[in-house]
Amino acid sequence: SQQGEEDPQALSIQEGENATMNCSYKTSINNLQWYRQNSGRGLVHLILIRSNEREKHSGRLRVTLDTSKKSSSLLITASRAADTASYFCATDPLTSGTYKYIFGTGTRLKVLA
Amino acid sequence: NAGVTQTPKFQVLKTGQSMTLQCAQDMNHNSMYWYRQDPGMGLRLIYYSASEGTTDKGEVPNGYNVSRLNKREFSLRLESAAPSQTSVYFCASSADSAEQFFGPGTRLTVL
Repeated sequence: SQQGEEDPQALSIQEGENATMNCSYKTSINNLQWYRQNSGRGLVHLILIRSNEREKHSGRLRVTLDTSKKSSSLLITASRAADTASYFCATDPLTSGTYKYIFGTGTRLKVLA
Repeated sequence: NAGVTQTPKFQVLKTGQSMTLQCAQDMNHNSMYWYRQDPGMGLRLIYYSASEGTTDKGEVPNGYNVSRLNKREFSLRLESAAPSQTSVYFCASSADSAEQFFGPGTRLTVL
C-alpha cells in the first residue's frame, strides 16, 4: 500500500502565483523528502525535512511538516513556467531501516505563462 | 562527474526473454536502489543495496534479481520478462545523507 499520498493530483496556475501541494502518510517517519520530476526524466531532490523539524526553506521552496497530523506541504512561491513538473513526497518509515523511502503518487503542476 | 548512468535507455522484449539493466554511479555512494514507475503512480522500490556486497528486497521484488558488482555498479536482471514488467526503471544512489540521486531511466516494453 502507498505510504504517501499527494494532494491535489493535478494543479494548474498562472506564472507568478504560489503553488501548494500536500502529502499525507500513514506511519511514523524518520525523514520526508520532496522530489521533482520533469516529463520523461529522473527525479531531482528538492529538500529533506527531518521528523524533529517543522519548517524548512530552500530558495523559493518552503516545506512544512506536521508529525501529529502525518502531513507535509510544499509551497513554491512566485512560480515560473520552468516549475512545470510532477512533485513527489518520499517518506522514510521508522521501521524501514536503511533509507527505504516510499514515494507517493505525485502532484502534476502546470504553470501557465 | 556523470552522476548516475543507466543503460540501455530503451528496450523492447518479448515475453519470456531475459535482460539485464545496468546502473553505475561515480559519487562513491554506499547505497543504491532500483525502482519502477508505472503510469500515474509513484516509484516503487524493487531492490536496494545498503553497501557493497549486500542486497535486500523492496516492495515489488518478484520477477527480478540484482547484483551489486562493486561499489559503483548495481544491475537489475529480468530472468523471464512478462508484460506486467512493462515500466520505466530508475536507478538511484545515496550517501548517508539520504538524498537520492537518480539516473535518467530505462523505458522497458514487454510484448
